[in-house]
Order: sequence, then C-alpha cells, then structure tokens
Amino acid sequence: EDQVTQSPEALRLQEGESSSLNCSYTVSGLRGLFWYRQDPGKGPEFLFTLYSAGEEKEKERLKATLTKKESFLHITAPKPEDSATYLCAVQPGGGSQGNLIFGKGTKLSVKP
Amino acid sequence: NAGVTQTPKFRVLKTGQSMTLLCAQDMNHEYMYWYRQDPGMGLRLIHYSVGEGTTAKGEVPDGYNVSRLKKQNFLLGLESAAPSQTSVYFCASSYAGAGAYYGYTFGSGTRLTVV
Repeated sequence: EDQVTQSPEALRLQEGESSSLNCSYTVSGLRGLFWYRQDPGKGPEFLFTLYSAGEEKEKERLKATLTKKESFLHITAPKPEDSATYLCAVQPGGGSQGNLIFGKGTKLSVKP
Repeated sequence: NAGVTQTPKFRVLKTGQSMTLLCAQDMNHEYMYWYRQDPGMGLRLIHYSVGEGTTAKGEVPDGYNVSRLKKQNFLLGLESAAPSQTSVYFCASSYAGAGAYYGYTFGSGTRLTVV
C-alpha cells in the first residue's frame, strides 16, 4: 500500500535555529514527490517537486532533498514567517491519474 | 489570474440536508480534484476528474457525488449530509502533459459543519 509518513508532527524552533523535516514513503514506482506549505485557514501552496533520488531544490531558506525512501525539507535560519504546516505528497506511477497521496504534515512554529 | 476559487467559504448544514460546493479554475487545467482535510487524517481524495465530462472515485467517495460539465468547473454534492462529513473541503487542479504530472493548485477551502 502506498504510504507517506511525516515526522515530527510538530516542531518548535527559535528564529535562526536550523532544522529538517522528514518525509518517508513507500510507493510503487515514484513519479514525483511534492512539498507544500499550508497556512491556517488557507489551502496548501506548492513549494517543490522532486523526481529522482539525489535531486535537490532550493527556495529562499528552504531546501528539499530526495532519496529512494525519504525526503527532507531543510530550513536554514528560519524566521517567524516560516511558521506553517508543511505537507509532503507522493505521486505513484502506473495508472494513478496523477493522484497525490499526502502525509499528515509537520506543524512548524518559529519563535522570535 | 484568480487560480482556483471555491464557494462558499463556510456553511452549516443540518443532518439530512443537501448542498453543492462549487470549484472554478481559470488556468485551463485538465485535472481537478476534491479533497477533505480532517485533524490527524491529512488530505484524503474524495473524487477527481481527468477532463470535461469525466469523473472517478477517490479514497473516500461515499456520501458524495460530483459533476464536471464544463472544463473549468467541478461540483461536489452532498445529497444527505451527515455529521461525519463535517470537514474542510479543498478543490485542486493540475496540468498534466508530456507524460509527467505537475503539482496541484489548491483553492482556499470550504469549512462545512453538519449539525
């Protein structure tokens, strides 16, 4: 069964304290792995897509990496505005019609 | 460019009542999806559509129906609402091409309470 597990469920950081969020997955034929940011009361906002092991992508203080079994979202010197829930999703191969399978998310709080 | 627009944003229903949630996208996306998001459960796929006039069941389709009569619109219907359908509903759309799929664009959600 295709599955996505995110850890930790919640993470509290001080401003400037770097850390990483984990997304482990089991899927038949990974077509892509996606990271989203979700602010309270809003829909998820697309951050990155990773397609193959070893791939890395960066955006401001965020850097996403991918291995064959997991992905990490590294946050360097976070600011309070980085506080949000970060969602990971995988897109299985085969006849999935592009449907994404989401993890439950990591709620990040960054204190000034 | 509005992206994905969901209406209404909030709604309270009584058990047994019916309603329709509307999703509209202006990006000419082929694929559209309806998800529900519940605390501790993550996003779960209800129904999806790969093009105008097509629909398919997702992970949790029971109690819901959908229609995609126009490419830009995807409707989610609740025929007889139940308290278990209290949730936040998100619509999303995506462009699929060249054998690869792209990330979704989400709407801002509809918060539905069934009492």
